[in-house]
Amino acid sequence: QSVLTQSPSVSGAPGQRVTISCTGNSSNIGADFDIHWYQQFPGTAPKLLIYGNNNRPSGVPDRFSGSKSGTSASLAITGLQAEDEADYYCQSFDNSLRGYVFGTGTKVTVL
Amino acid sequence: QVQLQESGPGLVKPSQTLSLTCSVSGVSMGRGGYYWTWVRQHPVKGLEWLGYAYYSGITYYHPSLKSRLTISVDTSKSQFSLKLTSVTAADTAVYYCARLAPLGVVTSRWYFDVWGRGTLVTVSS
Repeated sequence: QSVLTQSPSVSGAPGQRVTISCTGNSSNIGADFDIHWYQQFPGTAPKLLIYGNNNRPSGVPDRFSGSKSGTSASLAITGLQAEDEADYYCQSFDNSLRGYVFGTGTKVTVL
Repeated sequence: QVQLQESGPGLVKPSQTLSLTCSVSGVSMGRGGYYWTWVRQHPVKGLEWLGYAYYSGITYYHPSLKSRLTISVDTSKSQFSLKLTSVTAADTAVYYCARLAPLGVVTSRWYFDVWGRGTLVTVSS
């Protein structure tokens, strides 16, 4: 069972801004562990999108940004594009489980 | 460019041992600096981190799998492997090998920066 909860789906028209939430607790996000985000297309492996809360690896467009506050984190996509339609997962570390944990995943649909 | 590729049987019988290998190219595993890890993805339960190994032999496993899981690194072959014993249908998943990259000294901050393409393992008689 994932300990990081994400909304199952988010949708938006091209050009719009959408946000994906990732809610944890005092054992993970609230314990000030970093949040990382991954993008996954059907049938492929997850790809690192954001690391260390708000850092983009080389090659990731700047329309993707991350933030963290309290026991939650968010991934924002500004200027939504058709190729952004994918599943997105947050990831952190959990003190109670003593391991790395992933979110439940959010499917982004471009209308 | 760092690349990872999983290999191993796609079908394992219940109670038997699941063995997978990840071949690494584009980086020398023996130089250290990264941990080598396995993550699986259940169709319904999502992504689950399994454990990691360092080239020196250091390992750390998900507490729920600790009694069944072994991850080891063979720097001479540029590979690392996973062995999961006493498998059940609940172990059916896509298994990914991945590299755990540093973000500071504390490993709890680290993240998965490179992934293999994944391999589906089905546990069934």
